[in-house]
Amino acid sequence: SAVISQKPSRDICQRGTSLTIQCQVDSQVTMMFWYRQQPGQSLTLIATANQGSEATYESGFVIDKFPISRPNLTFSTLTVSNMSPEDSSIYLCSVSRGGVAETQYFGPGTRLLVL
Amino acid sequence: KNEVEQSPQNLTAQEGEFITINCSYSVGISALHWLQQHPGGGIVSLFMLSSGKKKHGRLIATINIQEKHSSLHITASHPRDSAVYICAGETSGSRLTFGEGTQLTVNP
Repeated sequence: SAVISQKPSRDICQRGTSLTIQCQVDSQVTMMFWYRQQPGQSLTLIATANQGSEATYESGFVIDKFPISRPNLTFSTLTVSNMSPEDSSIYLCSVSRGGVAETQYFGPGTRLLVL
Repeated sequence: KNEVEQSPQNLTAQEGEFITINCSYSVGISALHWLQQHPGGGIVSLFMLSSGKKKHGRLIATINIQEKHSSLHITASHPRDSAVYICAGETSGSRLTFGEGTQLTVNP
């Protein structure tokens, strides 16, 4: 298994500002992902965080809005830039050890409210 | 059309009842994950299936690859089973596409 922590656990931000969310894993993992869960909806994949290279973004998500870093195999950050109320969501990171059909482990999530 | 379709959206049961949640998925999905999300938001992985059937306690998950269908069963349901259950299809690069979730409420 993998134990994942996220910081902050929640935040309230003003529109136009940016927030960086951290994801820390207790062991080295191959794959790290960032998801968004908007109110009342299921999860949507934002991007795959690649160690040592640019993240791979899903359709509808761009690097300028959601810059991602992954400096090593246990840590990643997601920044939500120039926030608007529509960015109010739960942001979750997840990890897996790679390969087909491996269990994914999810962080506790960061609850973001943008005013 | 979503690659993963889940039903029902909402399910209310009495304690002790047998519960089934269904999930259909499209071509290109190599494995099916069942997840549980509690009101606090935390997500727990219940099962990952690429074939056959898995059982853990009162939970059973099955998958029919030919029909592209998976089911999650809960036997002898209990109020503590109340949560959102989500199926997610795994595509290339271990990426997950999620169903809309099933809100399960088990009444005592």
